[in-house]
Amino acid sequence: ELKVEQNPLFLSMQEGKNYTIYCNYSTTSDRLYWYRQDPGKSLESLFVLLSNGAVKQEGRLMASLDTKARLSTLHITAAVHDLSATYFCAGGGTGTYKYIFGTGTRLKVLA
Amino acid sequence: NAGVTQTPKFQVLKTGQSMTLQCAQDMNHEYMSWYRQDPGMGLRLIHYSVGAGITDQGEVPNGYNVSRSTTEDFPLRLLSAAPSQTSVYFCATRAGAPRRERDTQYFGPGTRLTVL
Repeated sequence: ELKVEQNPLFLSMQEGKNYTIYCNYSTTSDRLYWYRQDPGKSLESLFVLLSNGAVKQEGRLMASLDTKARLSTLHITAAVHDLSATYFCAGGGTGTYKYIFGTGTRLKVLA
Repeated sequence: NAGVTQTPKFQVLKTGQSMTLQCAQDMNHEYMSWYRQDPGMGLRLIHYSVGAGITDQGEVPNGYNVSRSTTEDFPLRLLSAAPSQTSVYFCATRAGAPRRERDTQYFGPGTRLTVL
């Protein structure tokens, strides 16, 4: 059974700094997703990673996938206040339609 | 093109009452799902459907029923509400079988349910 763990759970960082959120998963997952959620809002898709070594970038966010290590990372470059949100990773079990979410990382970027 | 819509936005129930949360989509997506979100627990899959007439259980199906009679609608029924079902409920859709770059879920705005 697929399990997904994120760390850290909370992250407070200064504007302009870099940081990485980690997402580990327990068994084979043929895809990995990252979502953003603002307080009181719904989830917005950020990245879909489909293969080992996949790297995707959007603005100050970059996501990567290492299927051998069962690890995905979300790297934040030169953080700005607008990036304050909760970030979720989710795995899709091979051959299933079930998506398993991590518990989320609450990011607060301080001015 | 409204995307994914959910009604109601807020609901308060008493223990033992039943109700249906509505989810509708106009994207002709085959896959629809229901999640609940609780503090510190991320999102947990309740039920999902891969097409009209086909449903299956997720991680936390107990206390909930679903049916899928049309592509557009996927209602979630609480048969006898309990305080443990107090949560925010999200409906999500995805285009059919996994396809590269299209394999992402689109979430509705959510329903905040309180059971007293």
